[in-house]
Amino acid sequence: DQQVKQNSPSLSVQEGRISILNCDYTNSMFDYFLWYKKYPAEGPTFLISISSIKDKNEDGRFTVFLNKSAKHLSLHIVPSQPGDSAVYFCAASPTSGTYKYIFGTGTRLKVLA
Amino acid sequence: SAVISQKPSRDICQRGTSLTIQCQVDSQVTMMFWYRQQPGQSLTLIATANQGSEATYESGFVIDKFPISRPNLTFSTLTVSNMSPEDSSIYLCSVEVSRGQTRYNEQFFGPGTRLTVL
Repeated sequence: DQQVKQNSPSLSVQEGRISILNCDYTNSMFDYFLWYKKYPAEGPTFLISISSIKDKNEDGRFTVFLNKSAKHLSLHIVPSQPGDSAVYFCAASPTSGTYKYIFGTGTRLKVLA
Repeated sequence: SAVISQKPSRDICQRGTSLTIQCQVDSQVTMMFWYRQQPGQSLTLIATANQGSEATYESGFVIDKFPISRPNLTFSTLTVSNMSPEDSSIYLCSVEVSRGQTRYNEQFFGPGTRLTVL
């Protein structure tokens, strides 16, 4: 039972354009969501997060949108740069206070120069 | 943030043997986590390791197969015991770093250990 889903395994975007990575979840108890970026041979790096009391959080070129009614979040990268090419994981944390993260399967983003 | 190192970075092991993976953090942290990422899969939490207490294992993972030590606030080890090819994965440790808020913290990951079992 995959509680956090990233249905697009890969995405290619032209440099300078917007990248939109999507994530769906099934558990309504999730209240904190994160995006991680992973380069080959490295561990995931925290990118941006959002709590369920917000619907948008912005950090530079990165914006995360949360639609609780649809149980959907998305990461927007604008403008996209070749250095953004990586695998992006979304993760969700439940309200149980256990601090456990449930990760999606990842989306491989390729930004074309 | 926290700087996390893991040893070894990769290894190729024979079936039936065991491998111990080390995780070192540059600051004292309460909560450390061990994850596994099988090929093409998401990161799956194996166990939570708090200093001074037994590790808490997730469903599907048992102490006999993945014994964990947490001797102090900066170090932990994960052993993959009696390995089979199905254990071929990337194993990652992570730590939780508080941003001063009681509920919302981020986990920072080590570089991972790529294990191949023949």
